Amino acid sequence: EVVLTQSPATLSLSPGERATLSCRASQSVDVYLAWFQQKPGQAPRLLIYDASNRATGIPARFSGSGSGTDFTLTISSLEPEDFGVYYCQQRKYWPPVTFGGGTKVDIK
Amino acid sequence: EVQLVESGGGLEQPGGSLRLSCAASGFTLTTYAMAWVRQAPGKGLEWVSSILPTGITHYADSVKGRFTISRDNSRNMLYLQMISLRAEDTALYYCAKTKMESTSNMIFDYWGQGTRVTVSS
Repeated sequence: EVVLTQSPATLSLSPGERATLSCRASQSVDVYLAWFQQKPGQAPRLLIYDASNRATGIPARFSGSGSGTDFTLTISSLEPEDFGVYYCQQRKYWPPVTFGGGTKVDIK
Repeated sequence: EVQLVESGGGLEQPGGSLRLSCAASGFTLTTYAMAWVRQAPGKGLEWVSSILPTGITHYADSVKGRFTISRDNSRNMLYLQMISLRAEDTALYYCAKTKMESTSNMIFDYWGQGTRVTVSS
């Protein structure tokens, strides 16, 4: 099973700041990694798939990079609506599909 | 417009059974791989099961032998039959659609709002 480790666990930032979230895989998943955003009381929303492709309707301030075992989600300038929990997910080696433990982005 | 609406959750005793349903609209369910993903209270996301366009099914080890994923092609419905429920099955269960037709890709592009399952005596 591929284990995904996200860091940091919590990121405290102000609107307008840049956010950099990390996801590390226990073995190479090539580019088969996705990022989701989840706000309280809501379902997860797909942001990025296959490491760097923005999903439909996702603003350009969200970008993904990386391959192999190290991946990054960058939010170039935080908007108030961007606060929440972010998860990475791999689909290279499944079953099982696996998710990271999440990074909470909150308001400083 | 794609919509997924889950139902069937509730309070059940350990050892009991529940059947979750997911009503799909805006697309033909059988041409996409579909999945159930759960989230225990205050915890992260955990993949539970998937069914491919071919009908092939896959399960997490934690539910194998106890949960069964299925679909009704005529009603565009996805199901998760759960038996021998345990306290650790307590979670919000989401139905999720995958992004590309006729493949086994696990890119979850649409999610329902979830149905809550509580297993407790």
